[in-house]
This record gives sequence, structure tokens and C-alpha cells, in this order.
Amino acid sequence: EAGVAQSPRYKIIEKRQSVAFWCNPISGHATLYWYQQILGQGPKLLIQFQNNGVVDDSQLPKDRFSAERLKGVDSTLKIQPAKLEDSAVYLCASSLGLAGGTTDTQYFGPGTRLTVL
Amino acid sequence: AQKVTQAQTEISVVEKEDVTLDCVYETRDTTYYLFWYKQPPSGELVFLIRRNSFDEQNEISGRYSWNFQKSTSSFNFTITASQVVDSAVYFCALSEAYGGSQGNLIFGKGTKLSVKP
Repeated sequence: EAGVAQSPRYKIIEKRQSVAFWCNPISGHATLYWYQQILGQGPKLLIQFQNNGVVDDSQLPKDRFSAERLKGVDSTLKIQPAKLEDSAVYLCASSLGLAGGTTDTQYFGPGTRLTVL
Repeated sequence: AQKVTQAQTEISVVEKEDVTLDCVYETRDTTYYLFWYKQPPSGELVFLIRRNSFDEQNEISGRYSWNFQKSTSSFNFTITASQVVDSAVYFCALSEAYGGSQGNLIFGKGTKLSVKP
């Protein structure tokens, strides 16, 4: 079974430029997550999708970050304009999306390492 | 509010030594899930184990074992006879079934384990 796919693996941009990351979840997984992992810290949730709807985007800096999952499968995370503090690894994860009251296991992709100069 | 504390920032052991990684969590929910993930230098988060709050049985999987104690809010991870391939950053994470954002993983800051030959 194929895992979570992400691209690109690495990206270097100048501040104020824009960047986009792509994620394709495990086949059949209804829930998709984007996490930001700053060096030396644990991942922090940015946004959670259930199919093509947003479940939680409370920690997404909406003035510069946006994400979509139009057809309920793959997803794109965009940053525009980028700031120096956005340098981090952006991880995508997916899970089956079980019914309420249950937390299913999230499986992570290899991540995209973003460097903002 | 939910929180995960991994007090050990870095641990260094010699191959074949046993090592225990500590994890202490805080939550107000009675139903929650605990996870351990491994992050090797390649960057991908690898799922190791998922436990729910009603199952306090310790678990063993090969050289890995987990000790869950609700009385002390701890979910410790032991590697027996460590190997060089165990070198990685290990994350403990918590997810509440009902409170806050269901399915949102709250990660600790991670423990970097170095196993030397």
C-alpha cells in the first residue's frame, strides 16, 4: 500500500515570495492534516480536512497561509508571502476518518523542508 | 488544556544498552489516545504505537515496550538492547476523543536518541 506522498521534498525561497506544497494521502483516507514542524520542536497542526471540508484551521495563519482539498483527495498548502519564520518542515498526514469519539492513527508523509532566506 | 512533556531532550547510549524515553501528558478528557512516533534523519514520522485511555495493559513488540500508567499520566517507551538503527528523534503525542479538536495530535518536543556502536 502506497504511503502519503508529498512534493517537493525541499524548497528554498526568498522572503515575500510564494510557495506551494502538494500532498496525496493514502488511498481511502478521508481525513488529511497539514502540520508545521520547526527545528527542535514537535509538529503543530495547521489545518485538518474531512473529505473536502475544513474541520479545524484555528492555528492556520490565514493572512498568509491557505489550503485546499477540492476533490477530497489530494491537497495543496500555500504560503504567500513567506516570512523568515516560516522556515520549517511541512508534514502532511492522513487517517481513515473514523466516526466521532474515536481517534484513528495518522500516517505521515516524508515532509517538505522549506527554507526562507 | 492538553499538553505533552518529554523532559529528556537528548539521550546517548552504547549499543545493546536498554533505554527508556519518558512521556508525561495532561488532559481533562476521560477518553483520549496516546501515540509514539519515530523520526529518523530522513524526516518521515513513523508510527509506532497507539493506546486508548481505557487500556492500561503494557505492550511489548520485539525490542520495544510501552508502560502506560494513568495514575501518573505517563506513557513511557523502553527499547531493549538498543541498536544503531534506533537512533532517531522519538515523539510522544496525545489526542482527545471529544475535547478540543477531535483527532488533533498534540506532540511533545521529542527526545533525540543516539545509539553509538
